[in-house]
Amino acid sequence: LAKTTQPISMDSYEGQEVNITCSHNNIATNDYITWYQQFPSQGPRFIIQGYKTKVTNEVASLFIPADRKSSTLSLPRVSLSDTAVYYCLVRSSGGSYIPTFGRGTSLIVHP
Amino acid sequence: NAGVTQTPKFQVLKTGQSMTLQCAQDMNHNSMYWYRQDPGMGLRLIYYSASEGTTDKGEVPNGYNVSRLNKREFSLRLESAAPSQTSVYFCASSHAKGDTEAFFGQGTRLTVV
Repeated sequence: LAKTTQPISMDSYEGQEVNITCSHNNIATNDYITWYQQFPSQGPRFIIQGYKTKVTNEVASLFIPADRKSSTLSLPRVSLSDTAVYYCLVRSSGGSYIPTFGRGTSLIVHP
Repeated sequence: NAGVTQTPKFQVLKTGQSMTLQCAQDMNHNSMYWYRQDPGMGLRLIYYSASEGTTDKGEVPNGYNVSRLNKREFSLRLESAAPSQTSVYFCASSHAKGDTEAFFGQGTRLTVV
């Protein structure tokens, strides 16, 4: 299982774009990159997944370079409500995957 | 659509007491999971159930037992609570082991004194 590394914390201000990078040097060919978001006092929720290049949804964009050894979660024009912990997970497309969470990145958005 | 429901939301136990945390999902998911989260830490897997009738240990199973009562329900039991088990417990479910998205409950905040 590929190990992931991401910054422990980040600070931003309302209206800015935030980019959180995750390193996964040992990612395997069949692995996908998945991101979860956890608000205080709530369980995590899935926000986006990708395999390569770029994926965008109503919450975020996910950029994955050709070598797939890292990925960047991009949150456009953050607001105070984006203050949360963001987790990067690598999952296999096979059947043995169990969601495994590291410490995540604690994002604090300031007024 | 309730999703994943955990009860209770808060609990205080004395050392040595026992209790069962309940979890139910209404999404017809096959796989269910129990995690604990300590301050400033990520979620650590305690036990999981890939399908009805099966359970397996996760990263931190000591001091816990689980029961997959049916497809909907997956309970976590503390037989003799210890202060080290003070934590927030999350139950989650997914359609199948390896599925993209796991859905989480709101958590149970447990304090053992």
